[in-house]
Amino acid sequence: KAGVTQTPRYLIKTRGQQVTLSCSPISGHRSVSWYQQTPGQGLQFLFEYFSETQRNKGNFPGRFSGRQFSNSRSEMNVSTLELGDSALYLCASSSHVYGGGETQYFGPGTRLLVL
Amino acid sequence: KQEVTQIPAALSVPEGENLVLNCSFTDSAIYNLQWFRQDPGKGLTSLLLIQSSQREQTSGRLNASLDKSSGRSTLYIAASQPGDSATYLCAVYETGANNLFFGTGTRLTVIP
Repeated sequence: KAGVTQTPRYLIKTRGQQVTLSCSPISGHRSVSWYQQTPGQGLQFLFEYFSETQRNKGNFPGRFSGRQFSNSRSEMNVSTLELGDSALYLCASSSHVYGGGETQYFGPGTRLLVL
Repeated sequence: KQEVTQIPAALSVPEGENLVLNCSFTDSAIYNLQWFRQDPGKGLTSLLLIQSSQREQTSGRLNASLDKSSGRSTLYIAASQPGDSATYLCAVYETGANNLFFGTGTRLTVIP
């Protein structure tokens, strides 16, 4: 099976712009989670989608949003970019067959640099 | 709020040595605990997952233990190799939540 894929891998934006990141989960996986990784804060949970519904959301401002499509692919959007949004954004998928807590498989990440 | 801590933050060992990485968490109401490896600038690779009802899991040279009541987990790496050099992260999946809480990571360097 192909792994989790994320596009683009690298992105440079300027403050005030918006950005959309894409994640394709492992085939058959219906749960997609997004995480932000920075040197100062480590890995922090953004949100999780299951069957096109957001089930859980981390403590991030409303500028961070996401969605999931019927084929389980997911996108996250960040509007009005700030310098502090520079980070590695990781997407993870899981089968979520047994009600939660299955192994999460991570993609390679999208590295976003905000200038 | 769940807090996950990993000690030490960094560790250097000579090749061939056995080593232990530590992870502690504050809320024992967890569904499972997962250990990951991250190479510089890359995503996370899942190493081991321990369900809350289990005490340990093994994969090759890796052995992870879980003591839920005391809020601790250890990752034991036997006969370390330079290729084991990476950052190791533990994460807990809380009961009732749908996300992982990550530790701060341990950066391991294995010296040839």
